[in-house]
Amino acid sequence: LAKTTQPISMDSYEGQEVNITCSHNNIATNDYITWYQQFPSQGPRFIIQGYKTKVTNEVASLFIPADRKSSTLSLPRVSLSDTAVYYCLVGDTKGFKTIFGAGTRLFVKA
Amino acid sequence: EPEVTQTPSHQVTQMGQEVILRCVPISNHLYFYWYRQILGQKVEFLVSFYNNEISEKSEIFDDQFSVERPDGSNFTLKIRSTKLEDSAMYFCARTGAGSNTGELFFGEGSRLTVL
Repeated sequence: LAKTTQPISMDSYEGQEVNITCSHNNIATNDYITWYQQFPSQGPRFIIQGYKTKVTNEVASLFIPADRKSSTLSLPRVSLSDTAVYYCLVGDTKGFKTIFGAGTRLFVKA
Repeated sequence: EPEVTQTPSHQVTQMGQEVILRCVPISNHLYFYWYRQILGQKVEFLVSFYNNEISEKSEIFDDQFSVERPDGSNFTLKIRSTKLEDSAMYFCARTGAGSNTGELFFGEGSRLTVL
């Protein structure tokens, strides 16, 4: 399984765009990149998934360069309620053994 | 799609007691998972369950743990003889109905406190 590396924590202010980058140097050909969000005492919640280039949905964008060795989750105009832990995961679509890393703790300040 | 429902939301037990945590997914899902999260730590994979059989398990999932789907609906995690270090949030998860995209849908968790 490809290991991921993310910053331990990030701070931001309301209304700013936040970009969280994840490194996954040994990503395999069949691996997808998936990001989850977790609030305290809740289960992780799927945010976005991609394989290459750019993916956008109603909450975030995911940028994946051509070599796929990293990816960047972009949260536009964050609010206080976006304070959470964000996890980057890499794996094939079977999902049999999805492994979570330590994640990035995002603190959004007023 | 709706998430899974977990019961109980919180259970307090004495060390050495057996605990059963339940997950109620929608019946047409085939892939299920149990994860745990000790307070302040990362989410840890325990076991995956596909087509009523264990697919993969982690080193955490030792002989004191078992999973089953006894009636085709509830999906249970049993801890035979709880230890203090089993205190954690336990999350059940499923993948999407139909083809497996790898996207996981988590329940709200069961908080286990072992005294």
